[in-house]
Amino acid sequence: AQTVTQSQPEMSVQEAETVTLSCTYDTSESNYYLFWYKQPPSRQMILVIRQEAYKQQNATENRFSVNFQKAAKSFSLKISDSQLGDTAMYFCAFMKQDNQGGKLIFGQGTELSVKP
Amino acid sequence: GAVVSQHPSWVICKSGTSVKIECRSLDFQATTMFWYRQFPKQSLMLMATSNEGSKATYEQGVEKDKFLINHASLTLSTLTVTSAHPEDSSFYICSAREGAAKNIQYFGAGTRLSVL
Repeated sequence: AQTVTQSQPEMSVQEAETVTLSCTYDTSESNYYLFWYKQPPSRQMILVIRQEAYKQQNATENRFSVNFQKAAKSFSLKISDSQLGDTAMYFCAFMKQDNQGGKLIFGQGTELSVKP
Repeated sequence: GAVVSQHPSWVICKSGTSVKIECRSLDFQATTMFWYRQFPKQSLMLMATSNEGSKATYEQGVEKDKFLINHASLTLSTLTVTSAHPEDSSFYICSAREGAAKNIQYFGAGTRLSVL
């Protein structure tokens, strides 16, 4: 079975600084997807970034980038130039690449506070 | 990105009554939808996977007679909490999968259920 672990329950960063959130996972699959979702106080889940395991190049979306280390089964999220609106719970998630429905397996979450 | 609408956003009901929550994909067809439950400060727990035109697949430990799921069309899935009790009070979130190729789940805004 697949598992996703986020070892940092809480983190804080000063506005405009850079922060990295950690995520490790365990799987025997070779093809899969990894995601970071953001859940602000409104509790609306928002997709931040997506990585396909077969791609070696790290995904980037504006101020958000990942460091995907497939051999180490590590998938960290870097937020550059942190903004107050980045304050949220961040969830790392894993999905097998199959035709059986695409279930997401979530980590425990990291609560990020961006301080002015 | 694709939009998923979830209604109602908040519902209060008396113990013993049933409550229906709707999840609609507004601008895409969702062959698969998912229902999650989330307790405060915790991760999302998958309850069931809903495929259009077929019976839902429930995760282990989820009572299928308590949480009835119907996915009658490609844009609508419903979750009915039957004979609700205070312990069913929680935050329920739906998501819809946009296409097998993209393997992205888009989330509704969630429903806060309070059972008195």
